[in-house]
Amino acid sequence: KAGVTQTPRYLIKTRGQQVTLSCSPISGHRSVSWYQQTPGQGLQFLFEYFSETQRNKGNFPGRFSGRQFSNSRSEMNVSTLELGDSALYLCASSLASGRYNEQFFGPGTRLTVL
Amino acid sequence: GQQLNQSPQSMFIQEGEDVSMNCTSSSIFNTWLWYKQDPGEGPVLLIALYKAGELTSNGRLTAQFGITRKDSFLNISASIPSDVGIYFCAGQASTNFGNEKLTFGTGTRLTIIP
Repeated sequence: KAGVTQTPRYLIKTRGQQVTLSCSPISGHRSVSWYQQTPGQGLQFLFEYFSETQRNKGNFPGRFSGRQFSNSRSEMNVSTLELGDSALYLCASSLASGRYNEQFFGPGTRLTVL
Repeated sequence: GQQLNQSPQSMFIQEGEDVSMNCTSSSIFNTWLWYKQDPGEGPVLLIALYKAGELTSNGRLTAQFGITRKDSFLNISASIPSDVGIYFCAGQASTNFGNEKLTFGTGTRLTIIP
């Protein structure tokens, strides 16, 4: 079974631009979560989607948004990019069914904002 | 954002030595997960724990879910070069449908000295 895939793997943008990142979960997984990883803040939860609905949201500004499609694929958008948005953005999927809901991560998208 | 206290921050060991690390939280978790992350990649799930007091092994790795539900421990026996990387603990507040958010530890960087 294929793992979580994320595209693109690397991205360079300039301040003020916007960016869209994509995540395809493991087949059959219905939940997709997004995390931001930086050296200073570590791994921080952004939001989680299930059945095309946002179920949980972390403490990030409204410039960070996402959506999920009917096939469970998810996109994350960051508008008006700031230098501090440079980070590794990780997507994780889980079955979200029953008690065992381990999250499996993709390789991430490395975003650099210049 | 919230991060769990993970110690030690870094470890320098010789091949063949055993390794211990732990993670503590001020709040209760119902699931503890341990991940390993290699440079430029996403975290890979090593062990999942679902019950207070539970002791679970995965090869040379053994993890325990603390009885207070506020801590977890990971041991690696007879370390080998491929164990090098950053280890993260993660807590999940609920195993119920609808709460997939993971809170991550600060990470333990493991280095093997030749």
